[in-house]
Amino acid sequence: QKEVEQDPGPLSVPEGAIVSLNCTYSNSAFQYFMWYRQYSRKGPELLMYTYSSGNKEDGRFTAQVDKSSKYISLFIRDSQPSDSATYLCAILTHTGGFKTIFGAGTRLFVKA
Amino acid sequence: EPEVTQTPSHQVTQMGQEVILRCVPISNHLYFYWYRQILGQKVEFLVSFYNNEISEKSEIFDDQFSVERPDGSNFTLKIRSTKLEDSAMYFCASKIGTSDVPRFGSGTQLSVL
Repeated sequence: QKEVEQDPGPLSVPEGAIVSLNCTYSNSAFQYFMWYRQYSRKGPELLMYTYSSGNKEDGRFTAQVDKSSKYISLFIRDSQPSDSATYLCAILTHTGGFKTIFGAGTRLFVKA
Repeated sequence: EPEVTQTPSHQVTQMGQEVILRCVPISNHLYFYWYRQILGQKVEFLVSFYNNEISEKSEIFDDQFSVERPDGSNFTLKIRSTKLEDSAMYFCASKIGTSDVPRFGSGTQLSVL
């Protein structure tokens, strides 16, 4: 079983739609849960992170973690064409070096 | 906002040559990382570095790879004898402490011919 599973998409939505992106993970020892945005041939850009179950909101973005079902989500409200990118979920493990494990990334297209 | 800086943005080398990829982490950060992403694949962990030593490395990070923090600002990844399969985007990342998460640089595209 993969440590972090994420549907690669692509996901295509009209402008203004609510987008839901999801990941599952296998190791309950994971500590931090992150969402990064990656534009083509660029580095991952940190969007949000949390360490507890529940919701965390930042503008149009809401990160949700359910530790009991090992499920994390990112919701994007009022999606814009500029949100078109690959969204990476990532989990930070508390090993000797705090290794980050990434999901495959979901490619999102927001159509104007 | 402070950024992780990577140079060069693109490096082309011949198979068997040594390359050094350079990174300047965010200035007060204490944990440093290298990751790579082969075209069309996921971001993969290579190595973490803290307190002037490697704290964890993946199975990808074999004897051909080494890291160094030669001074107070730079963090380098050396590949001793490049192979075709080393062609990838290499990302440096850093974080301030145990309650932080990694911030990534814009990457160096390594092409091995």
